[in-house]
Amino acid sequence: QKEVEQDPGPLSVPEGAIVSLNCTYSNSAFQYFMWYRQYSRKGPELLMYTYSSGNKEDGRFTAQVDKSSKYISLFIRDSQPSDSATYLCGLMDTGRRALTFGSGTRLQVQP
Amino acid sequence: DGGITQSPKYLFRKEGQNVTLSCEQNLNHDAMYWYRQDPGQGLRLIYYSQIVNDFQKGDIAEGYSVSREKKESFPLTVTSAQKNPTAFYLCASIPAGSYEQYFGPGTRLTVT
Repeated sequence: QKEVEQDPGPLSVPEGAIVSLNCTYSNSAFQYFMWYRQYSRKGPELLMYTYSSGNKEDGRFTAQVDKSSKYISLFIRDSQPSDSATYLCGLMDTGRRALTFGSGTRLQVQP
Repeated sequence: DGGITQSPKYLFRKEGQNVTLSCEQNLNHDAMYWYRQDPGQGLRLIYYSQIVNDFQKGDIAEGYSVSREKKESFPLTVTSAQKNPTAFYLCASIPAGSYEQYFGPGTRLTVT
């Protein structure tokens, strides 16, 4: 079983829809949670960074963490065609300060 | 213009040759990392370095080597011992006292 599970998709939605992306994890040592957006053949871009259970909002993006259930989510409101990309969850243990990633979810927003 | 640079963007090598991938950052970040990305497998940690002249193996270090002689540079050598070297290689760094990890643009290595 992988330490971090993420549905690979692809996920196809119409423009303007609310998108929900999720990861589950098994290792309680993960204390920091990040979401990255990656366009094809580019480096990942940090979107959201959280470290406690609850919600964090930044513009159209909301990151949600439930440590008791070992479940994290990223919500995208009013999705745009430019949001079409692969979204990666990255979880960090404080010892190595290195990330363990999910496999990524490919999102396609249709105009 | 600050950031993480990786060169070259594309690299082609013959099987049996060692190859070194460059990673430079001018952000004054203390920790640096190398990941490998294969289709459908996300990113996997190869090596990391928290301070100059010190580095640790990640989850898939076999067939790779690194050095950290300067704070701003963390080159990765893919040796002939690496069985499946063709992949997208990503370098990342973190500022001191932080956990936010930032990535470079990546190098796509093809070995035939």
